[in-house]
Amino acid sequence: GAVVSQHPSRVICKSGTSVKIECRSLDFQATTMFWYRQFPKQSLMLMATSNEGSKATYEQGVEKDKFLINHASLTLSTLTVASAHPEDSSFYICSARLEPATKDGYTFGSGTRLTVV
Amino acid sequence: GDSVTQMEGPVTLSEEAFLTINCTYTATGYPSLFWYVQYPGEGLQLLLKATKADDKGSNKGFEATYRKETTSFHLEKGSVQVSDSAVYFCALRPSGGSNYKLTFGKGTLLTVNP
Repeated sequence: GAVVSQHPSRVICKSGTSVKIECRSLDFQATTMFWYRQFPKQSLMLMATSNEGSKATYEQGVEKDKFLINHASLTLSTLTVASAHPEDSSFYICSARLEPATKDGYTFGSGTRLTVV
Repeated sequence: GDSVTQMEGPVTLSEEAFLTINCTYTATGYPSLFWYVQYPGEGLQLLLKATKADDKGSNKGFEATYRKETTSFHLEKGSVQVSDSAVYFCALRPSGGSNYKLTFGKGTLLTVNP
């Protein structure tokens, strides 16, 4: 089945540094990727939608200069947390829309636990 | 706008108990409905889905029926196992157009004790 590989699974970084999270579609082409943030014991908050070759569309309240999304190819989308601070600590999950619509519709990465110290 | 409301947890059951997690939605038209499961420290996995009214999605003993008249998509399992312990999310995708965003409920933590 369609698989999205997300790396790293865990990262600890110092405040002020930048962190890059990668999501790769392994056996299909992902035209559209979604990036979510999940707080402890809460639901997924959609941060942005990225389409290959174009600028990402950010949800209201999400800082585009803080959360940089690049979707330069059909198999790779990246989220860079710029100048990370402790409040950016969270669980980040990517998701790809499967095309044409299959019985699954979407496939999710395994998530990245970011801890900023 | 679209929204999904699911019962708040946590839900704690004994093994082999019957499970129901309620989910209702607000949306125009006929959205597609999903249940996703998230095991600790992992991403989401699709559990089941339904794309039109009266459809029943089923997988691994779990079932949910798309009820247009009550705008509901309740998740049920007749006999839960310890391995079913996870967070369950109800979600919808709008019908038609080019809006492919999923709207999620807040999630329900299920713990099954031996």
